[in-house]
Amino acid sequence: QSALTQPASVSGSPGQSITISCTGTSSDVGGYNYVSWYQQHPGKAPKLMIYEVSNRPSGVSNRFSGSKSGNTASLTISGLQAEDEADYYCSSYTSSSTWVFGGGTKLTVL
Amino acid sequence: QVQLVESGGGVVQPGGSLRLSCAASGFTFSSYGMHWVRQAPGKGLEWVAFIRYDGSNKYYADSVKGRFTISRDNSKNTLYLQMNSLRAEDTAVYYCAKGAISYSYWGKGTTVTVSS
Repeated sequence: QSALTQPASVSGSPGQSITISCTGTSSDVGGYNYVSWYQQHPGKAPKLMIYEVSNRPSGVSNRFSGSKSGNTASLTISGLQAEDEADYYCSSYTSSSTWVFGGGTKLTVL
Repeated sequence: QVQLVESGGGVVQPGGSLRLSCAASGFTFSSYGMHWVRQAPGKGLEWVAFIRYDGSNKYYADSVKGRFTISRDNSKNTLYLQMNSLRAEDTAVYYCAKGAISYSYWGKGTTVTVSS
């Protein structure tokens, strides 16, 4: 159950777009369309932002989008806003009937 | 609205036991799978365990298999995590989360500290 690989940090200026990658294997990210993304502000519980690779829950801004190619999933945030500054985690279902998270990415809005 | 409220955390000595609870409301608890996820201080999220909506199947992370047991009481809308043989590395905030493939709602978490 190795963690998925995410960059430790990304940054962008207000109004710009950023992309966070999440790399796994054919046994998790590449094998299922069951990748989800979570936003976590300091001291708060995580919040679901994207499920099943590219679906947005009701209430989540359309500035957030997800995609997948092979063993790598991506979260793109367009029109960066100050409130987007947070930690972001990807998660995937695995062939072992378990779940795995990425190590997390700290997004800094400059 | 969906509410998940964890309880049962505290300070326990290595080798000790704790039982966490997660009280659910605002949705039909008996229709949804549920997860436990933890976060060690200053660290990332770690999936711990999952139980199907009817309790028929349970799955665990290797790090807790054989020590932790997930269960549920659908008549009480409550999820549990029995934690035995606790280790220092089990120190974390423990969250319960609703959902099967993804974690659609999260509680605020309960803190478990394993220390002598």
